[in-house]
Amino acid sequence: NAGVTQTPKFQVLKTGQSMTLQCAQDMNHEYMSWYRQDPGMGLRLIHYSVGAGITDQGEVPNGYNVSRSTTEDFPLRLLSAAPSQTSVYFCASSFDRSIGEQYFGPGTRLTVT
Amino acid sequence: DAKTTQPTSMDCAEGRAANLPCNHSTISGNEYVYWYRQIHSQGPQYIIHGLKNNETNEMASLIITEDRKSSTLILPHATLRDTAVYYCIVRAGGATNKLIFGTGTLLAVQP
Repeated sequence: NAGVTQTPKFQVLKTGQSMTLQCAQDMNHEYMSWYRQDPGMGLRLIHYSVGAGITDQGEVPNGYNVSRSTTEDFPLRLLSAAPSQTSVYFCASSFDRSIGEQYFGPGTRLTVT
Repeated sequence: DAKTTQPTSMDCAEGRAANLPCNHSTISGNEYVYWYRQIHSQGPQYIIHGLKNNETNEMASLIITEDRKSSTLILPHATLRDTAVYYCIVRAGGATNKLIFGTGTLLAVQP
């Protein structure tokens, strides 16, 4: 299994541009989530999904959209990038919502200028 | 979910046991203690979790006090590759799978 994969690894955007961060898992996990990590801070939950077609907001959802059309994929969309969204983004998955053992992807480092 | 308190940083000599403490004095009866670690520039990695009994796996041991207000993660023979930020997380089982990460403990294993 490839586990949790994320693309791209690095991205530079200009303010106002849009883009989609991709996340995929091949473990047939129901639960998937997105976190962001800023220097000196722990990870903060952006959005999560408990299954295909179901998404919900985390701690810091503003400026981000998600959808979950398949079990495998959980893309994160930035509609109009802002410098405050400069961060490292991690995608995670687990078998279901009740399990705290999550598998994390390698991250996407995003810079917004 | 209950709040956790961890030291900001710790050192450990290579080959010795690393003991990482965590306080969670407001933990509820249905809340588990989870430990993750994050090696520089990588995604977090699950280590171990427990409810009230001590737990051991191939990576580490978790010791939870009888009153469950604190716990210790033990890496029995630390190596340089164990240098990482270690996160202690308290989470209720069941309805939600949210993990609330604090700032963790930076463990530096010294040669």
